[in-house]
Amino acid sequence: EDQVTQSPEALRLQEGESSSLNCSYTVSGLRGLFWYRQDPGKGPEFLFTLYSAGEEKEKERLKATLTKKESFLHITAPKPEDSATYLCAVQAMVGTYKYIFGTGTRLKVLA
Amino acid sequence: DAGVIQSPRHEVTEMGQEVTLRCKPISGHDYLFWYRQTMMRGLELLIYFNNNVPIDDSGMPEDRFSAKMPNASFSTLKIQPSEPRDSAVYFCASSSSGHAATNEKLFFGSGTQLSVL
Repeated sequence: EDQVTQSPEALRLQEGESSSLNCSYTVSGLRGLFWYRQDPGKGPEFLFTLYSAGEEKEKERLKATLTKKESFLHITAPKPEDSATYLCAVQAMVGTYKYIFGTGTRLKVLA
Repeated sequence: DAGVIQSPRHEVTEMGQEVTLRCKPISGHDYLFWYRQTMMRGLELLIYFNNNVPIDDSGMPEDRFSAKMPNASFSTLKIQPSEPRDSAVYFCASSSSGHAATNEKLFFGSGTQLSVL
């Protein structure tokens, strides 16, 4: 069964304190791995897509990396406005085009 | 573009009542997804459509749930009868392609917060 597990569930950082969020996945052939950001009361917003092991994507203070079993979202020198829930999702090669999401990491960056 | 539009934003109803959630996808998008989000289970896919045709409804919890897409600009998710355990945030999302190799992504609406008392 295709599955996505994210850790930690919650993370509190001081402003400027870099850290990483983990997304482990089990999928029958990976079509793509996606990172989304979700603010309270809103729908998830797309950040990155990764397709193959070794690939990296960057956007401002965020960098996403991918291996054959997991992905990391690295946050460098975070600011309070980076506080949000970060969701990871996978789409499998085999079967339908559905996206399977993890339960997310709730990030709080303190000023 | 106004993005994916969902209505209502909040719905409070009593157990046993019928609930209808509505979604207008982004114009030109040919995939539409309905998700349910809870703290315990996160985002769960209920059903998705391609060109108005239901493709995968394996996530629909039971016969009380039904979804339709009568045209490319409108979809509904209906719960009848509703139960307290249906309380959750329901999201609609659309995309221009279902294939990740074309760098497509999901665009989500703001969700409907459903409370069944």
